[in-house]
Amino acid sequence: AQSVTQLGSHVSVSEGALVLLRCNYSSSVPPYLFWYVQYPNQGLQLLLKYTSAATLVKGINGFEAEFKKSETSFHLTKPSAHMSDAAEYFCAVTSSSGNTPLVFGKGTRLSVIA
Amino acid sequence: DAGITQSPRHKVTETGTPVTLRCHQTENHRYMYWYRQDPGHGLRLIHYSYGVKDTDKGEVSDGYSVSRSKTEDFLLTLESATSSQTSVYFCAISGGTENTGELFFGEGSRLTVL
Repeated sequence: AQSVTQLGSHVSVSEGALVLLRCNYSSSVPPYLFWYVQYPNQGLQLLLKYTSAATLVKGINGFEAEFKKSETSFHLTKPSAHMSDAAEYFCAVTSSSGNTPLVFGKGTRLSVIA
Repeated sequence: DAGITQSPRHKVTETGTPVTLRCHQTENHRYMYWYRQDPGHGLRLIHYSYGVKDTDKGEVSDGYSVSRSKTEDFLLTLESATSSQTSVYFCAISGGTENTGELFFGEGSRLTVL
């Protein structure tokens, strides 16, 4: 079985500050990992994905995440927050076969303060 | 954007009535999914399909049924809606030529059961 834990249901940062959203996973098989973003009243959009190539993955809008097997983590970072980053962020895991449904974390709402 | 259309986008119904949500894709992807999104719970898998007439249950399948008679359509039915099924329902697809398990989401269907 696979699971994801996102630490912090709500994170608040100042504009220009570092964004760090935490994700830890549990998987009995090599995982594929994803971060999705959801803006209000919209569907989910892929930010980035780890599929066993480079452990440091770069995504859209300046976000990146690092896969750390020893820590079972896949934290999402952005050096400088922008007001437009305010949204809900979801971490998700699946097996490396790509044929099992994604299991999502409960989400972290990011607020950016001017 | 992936060609995924959900209908209806908004529906208000009464307890005990049947409801069907439709998901239509134009991407010819093999896998289709129904998730529900509720505050504090993230996205939870209801049912999914891995081919025409091939479906399986997810984490929260009680009270829901699905059907897939064509590659492009995946229907979610609530036989007798209850207030606990008030939620936002998302359809997703995966399984294109580069199948990494990445999901592409529809815009969601907001269901209110009074």
